[in-house]
Amino acid sequence: AQKVTQAQTEISVVEKEDVTLDCVYETRDTTYYLFWYKQPPSGELVFLIRRNSFDEQNEISGRYSWNFQKSTSSFNFTITASQVVDSAVYFCALRETSGSRLTFGEGTQLTVNP
Amino acid sequence: DTGVSQDPRHKITKRGQNVTFRCDPISEHNRLYWYRQTLGQGPEFLTYFQNEAQLEKSRLLSDRFSAERPKGSFSTLEIQRTEQGDSAMYLCASSLGGTGGIRDRAFFGQGTRLTVV
Repeated sequence: AQKVTQAQTEISVVEKEDVTLDCVYETRDTTYYLFWYKQPPSGELVFLIRRNSFDEQNEISGRYSWNFQKSTSSFNFTITASQVVDSAVYFCALRETSGSRLTFGEGTQLTVNP
Repeated sequence: DTGVSQDPRHKITKRGQNVTFRCDPISEHNRLYWYRQTLGQGPEFLTYFQNEAQLEKSRLLSDRFSAERPKGSFSTLEIQRTEQGDSAMYLCASSLGGTGGIRDRAFFGQGTRLTVV
């Protein structure tokens, strides 16, 4: 069965610091998809990225970057020069190609202080 | 706004009552999902529809829960004889379906927060 672990329950940083959110996953499938979602206080999950297990290239989007390492089953998310508006709960999720459901981690509450 | 909408946003009910939630997905999306999220936890999958067909149900979905998607458009989630343990945020999501890029991306609504007293 698939499982996603986000060991960091809460992280607090000061604005402009870099912060990395860890995600470790377990799956028996050889093909799968990994996602990151942001959940601000309003409650709506906002899609950030989707990564295919065949594509191990790291990705950068503005201040966001993702490090996918299949060898360690990790898909970590880094925010560079954090801002107060980055404060939210961030979820890592896994979808196996054999199914349609997303399996979420427990989330990391990020607080960026001014 | 053409995103996923859920109604109501908040619901307080007494234990033992029945409640029904509605989800309106993005209009061209074939797939619709229901998730439940309790405080401090990640969302947990409940069920999923491909058009009007309910294709997968989680073991979390006890026989007090039923979901429908008539005509493959909006969906309803009903909980009968509510219990305090049902208190949670119920999230709906939709996607185009299939794999590859935008088709696989699930768009979430803002959820319905249920409190059972």
